[in-house]
Amino acid sequence: DTGVSQNPRHKITKRGQNVTFRCDPISEHNRLYWYRQTLGQGPEFLTYFQNEAQLEKSRLLSDRFSAERPKGSFSTLEIQRTEQGDSAMYLCASSSGLAGGISYEQYFGPGTRLTVT
Amino acid sequence: GENVEQHPSTLSVQEGDSAVIKCTYSDSASNYFPWYKQELGKGPQLIIDIRSNVGEKKDQRIAVTLNKTAKHFSLHITETQPEDSAVYFCAASKSTGANNLFFGTGTRLTVIP
Repeated sequence: DTGVSQNPRHKITKRGQNVTFRCDPISEHNRLYWYRQTLGQGPEFLTYFQNEAQLEKSRLLSDRFSAERPKGSFSTLEIQRTEQGDSAMYLCASSSGLAGGISYEQYFGPGTRLTVT
Repeated sequence: GENVEQHPSTLSVQEGDSAVIKCTYSDSASNYFPWYKQELGKGPQLIIDIRSNVGEKKDQRIAVTLNKTAKHFSLHITETQPEDSAVYFCAASKSTGANNLFFGTGTRLTVIP
């Protein structure tokens, strides 16, 4: 399967714990996005990478959140000191967009559903 | 920033009938408008998209229209089938910056056999 993959698919954690999610984009896609989706809402942009560089972060991304894409391939999203309000579906998407170029199609992974108890 | 509104929030149609979902956007700089289908427990799946230099695009039973002047775009599904039942999201983005997508709030489509 050559689509976007995410792991784990589900994560249940206690408030205050740290969690890390992984995203593997479509091979050779140089753009990678993280979105968050709460129940009954559309996905909301969190951050994106052009290759290994994190170029933009949303105001939704508090300082408890950090994302990396160390070699320009897979990415990780870490949430420290989780809060109940962090419960959501975390979606990763990738595209072949070039820097400064037109918008390209974004393909989403299946998401990681986080539940903070 | 961009604000995308989507209507209706729920839509029920009889199998074989057509379904229409409408979206409006606020930022005149937006120039790319994809539509996604999301089934329960899955990520959004891109089903069709349109760029601002085109007024209409069709792919088999689905079509999208764009009115740049009025800043609205619509998804049309003809000859609906039960497997079309899902939540549909419209989105908008522009060429500058992150090209991130701004999504509508979704339409839950139910096709009744």
